[in-house]
This record gives sequence, structure tokens and C-alpha cells, in this order.
Amino acid sequence: DTGVSQNPRHKITKRGQNVTFRCDPISEHNRLYWYRQTLGQGPEFLTYFQNEAQLEKSRLLSDRFSAERPKGSFSTLEIQRTEQGDSAMYLCASSLRPYGYTFGSGTRLTVV
Amino acid sequence: GENVEQHPSTLSVQEGDSAVIKCTYSDSASNYFPWYKQELGKGPQLIIDIRSNVGEKKDQRIAVTLNKTAKHFSLHITETQPEDSAVYFCAASLGSNQFYFGTGTSLTVIP
Repeated sequence: DTGVSQNPRHKITKRGQNVTFRCDPISEHNRLYWYRQTLGQGPEFLTYFQNEAQLEKSRLLSDRFSAERPKGSFSTLEIQRTEQGDSAMYLCASSLRPYGYTFGSGTRLTVV
Repeated sequence: GENVEQHPSTLSVQEGDSAVIKCTYSDSASNYFPWYKQELGKGPQLIIDIRSNVGEKKDQRIAVTLNKTAKHFSLHITETQPEDSAVYFCAASLGSNQFYFGTGTSLTVIP
């Protein structure tokens, strides 16, 4: 297994467009997390899945954001009507337990 | 929620010297404290972690200490090498599935 895979690595979009990111976790990990990281800051929690169930959502996850994990394997994060403030690195992580996350390399979003 | 503060924001050391990064947390219920290393263009990588029932943990050149009374924990890197240069993040967890990260320390090891 090659770890947590995120695609695309980079995405440039115009303000107002919708974007979707994909995360493929480590295959035996049932827990999956999305975080957002802005320049010079630590990652901030967005949401958590256990298998296909979305169990926690941050207040940062506005109604323009939606995340899914339909079969308990890969996950997608969609941002609708993107704004410049959405520009950030979006990180996905997975784990077997609530400790010891393994992060992917992230998707860097730039909204112009 | 939890609030984690991290110091210093930047740190330069000579190769072979030690580096210490300190974090404080606000919620006494936090019980898990991981440290992550992030290299440019990559995601954070777990390097060491400690649970609240342990005061110190060591893994080769890296050690973490935890003072629950004072609500602070520290990362110690000994015999630093140029490949230790990266951004280091501390985090705290209340035992939920959410980590609260510090703002990071950019470590530069000068050959």
C-alpha cells in the first residue's frame, strides 16, 4: 500500500466555480478525515468519517462544502461557488483508531 | 474547543546541536499529543506521540515530554542533521476524532 493518495495535487479555479477533490485512504483504515491548511498555519479539522458515516463536522464546513464517502473507501470533498478565501491546502488523513493519523500530500487549491 | 500554542515560530540550530519546540494547551481533558513533521509540498508525517498517562517518550534522536499540571509538552531533537529541517507541528486531542494543531515551527539545521 502506498499510503493516503489525494488527487489532484493542484487545482486552480475561477471564483464561483465548483471543485471536487478525491482521497483514497490506506485500504484497511476505516476512519477518514479532512483538514484544511492555510499558509503558515496548522491544519484545521473539517470533517470525519467512520466507514461511510460522516460523524463529525466542523463549523468551518459551511453549506458550500460537502463531503462523501459512499462505500466506506474513497472520499470526495466538493466546494461549490468557490471564494478566494477557500484557497488552501486540503489534507486527507486516515487511521484505524482515533490516534496516529496518516496524512496524504494534500490538494492545493488556488481560487483566482 | 482546545487551543494549542506553539513556540518558537522559527528556529535555527547548528548541525549536531539540539532543538527544542514547546507547546501549551488549554483543555485539561486533552489526552493525546502527537508531533508532525511537514516538508515542503508534502502532508504532515507523524514522528512521535504521547498519551496523558506517560510523562516522557523517546525514539532514537527524538523525545517528547508532557507536563499535565502545567499543560505543556515539548519536542526535543538531539544531534540535529540537515534532513531534520522542516516545519514541525504539535497537536492535542480530547480523545475525539479531531486534532487541534499549533501554528508550526520552521526548523533550519545549518550544516
